[in-house]
Amino acid sequence: EPEVTQTPSHQVTQMGQEVILRCVPISNHLYFYWYRQILGQKVEFLVSFYNNEISEKSEIFDDQFSVERPDGSNFTLKIRSTKLEDSAMYFCASSPLAGGTYEQYFGPGTRLTVT
Amino acid sequence: AQKITQTQPGMFVQEKEAVTLDCTYDTSDPSYGLFWYKQPSSGEMIFLIYQGSYDQQNATEGRYSLNFQKARKSANLVISASQLGDSAMYFCAMREGLSGGSNYKLTFGKGTLLTVNP
Repeated sequence: EPEVTQTPSHQVTQMGQEVILRCVPISNHLYFYWYRQILGQKVEFLVSFYNNEISEKSEIFDDQFSVERPDGSNFTLKIRSTKLEDSAMYFCASSPLAGGTYEQYFGPGTRLTVT
Repeated sequence: AQKITQTQPGMFVQEKEAVTLDCTYDTSDPSYGLFWYKQPSSGEMIFLIYQGSYDQQNATEGRYSLNFQKARKSANLVISASQLGDSAMYFCAMREGLSGGSNYKLTFGKGTLLTVNP
């Protein structure tokens, strides 16, 4: 069964450093998302991406964040200058253009720890 | 106002019994979808079940069923014949605006931690 993959599974970085989180969505999906989950809290929407551009972003997704689909398979989230409060699990998700449920398939997540 | 409310921070159930996890939602959009995801301690998000706002029947997927009461804006998850492996965090989520647009973001509740006792 096709699945969303994310790398790395765990990233430790120092405050102020740049990080890039990588995702490979399911190959025939056209909508891509990033969510984050601070430890013990609910999952929060960051950004959605369709047709090579951002379609919506949340208040969390400020100028420190950017997303890119550099080729036909990868979807990346970059944090330019990490802060302690960026420590969280980051989930990538994708969904197909059409389909009854428009279900979003989540990747296993990248746990980001900022020290 | 919270769009998704899960009032049960934690629930306990005996193995083989049924359990209901509550979820209420708030939206003015006539087109929306409701989802339940399971998050085990390993952290991944596993899709369980979906209910569309226009679906006439309650959704079912194996041991999972969704008790959809549109007028009350509730979408409770029922797990029948609980198993030890069902112990996990369960999140209710909503997607608004199925009628068009390229958004489809999910809004999640705070979750319910289910513990299945042997």
